[in-house]
Amino acid sequence: GDSVTQMEGPVTLSEEAFLTINCTYTATGYPSLFWYVQYPGEGLQLLLKATKADDKGSNKGFEATYRKETTSFHLEKGSVQVSDSAVYFCALSDPPPGADGLTFGKGTHLIIQP
Amino acid sequence: DGGITQSPKYLFRKEGQNVTLSCEQNLNHDAMYWYRQDPGQGLRLIYYSQIVNDFQKGDIAEGYSVSREKKESFPLTVTSAQKNPTAFYLCASSSRVEETQYFGPGTRLLVL
Repeated sequence: GDSVTQMEGPVTLSEEAFLTINCTYTATGYPSLFWYVQYPGEGLQLLLKATKADDKGSNKGFEATYRKETTSFHLEKGSVQVSDSAVYFCALSDPPPGADGLTFGKGTHLIIQP
Repeated sequence: DGGITQSPKYLFRKEGQNVTLSCEQNLNHDAMYWYRQDPGQGLRLIYYSQIVNDFQKGDIAEGYSVSREKKESFPLTVTSAQKNPTAFYLCASSSRVEETQYFGPGTRLLVL
């Protein structure tokens, strides 16, 4: 079945550092890929998405490129802020016919220190 | 203000008790979902509904039940058959034309 693997962390960085959170996937079809962010005690918010190979999703300084050849969707940001501290989930949508739902990675806890 | 609301924010269950978590959306979305989140486990799909009066089991449906009598509402009941109900429960919805799911703020269920 489909699966998503991401670095589990916690990942601790200093403010203004460069961020990469790795995400790789296995899927039988051609999935859409997502990054969601979860702040403490809250639900998930969509951060960005890409629906086909070579698409780049971007939002709030974060970027991720859909790489079909490496089955990856790594999240990057050039200069992180303390307010970026949260848990980040990589997810894919590739349900078989008649099914539904997203497949999530286990989440990466990001801690940004001032 | 469009969005998804979940209530209550915290819920306590006694042994042998059924409890119901509320999920309401005013986004006019056809599909609704329930996920369970455990520490270090990511999110797992419990039930989903693509249309009113129809719903399907997800990966971990045992011990849970749902109904979808209205487009806006998708309540989840955690039954006494669910032996390990302590978790954070998230409701989501999506439209027919977009795969993106939008999430509510969640309900944390604790066992007394």
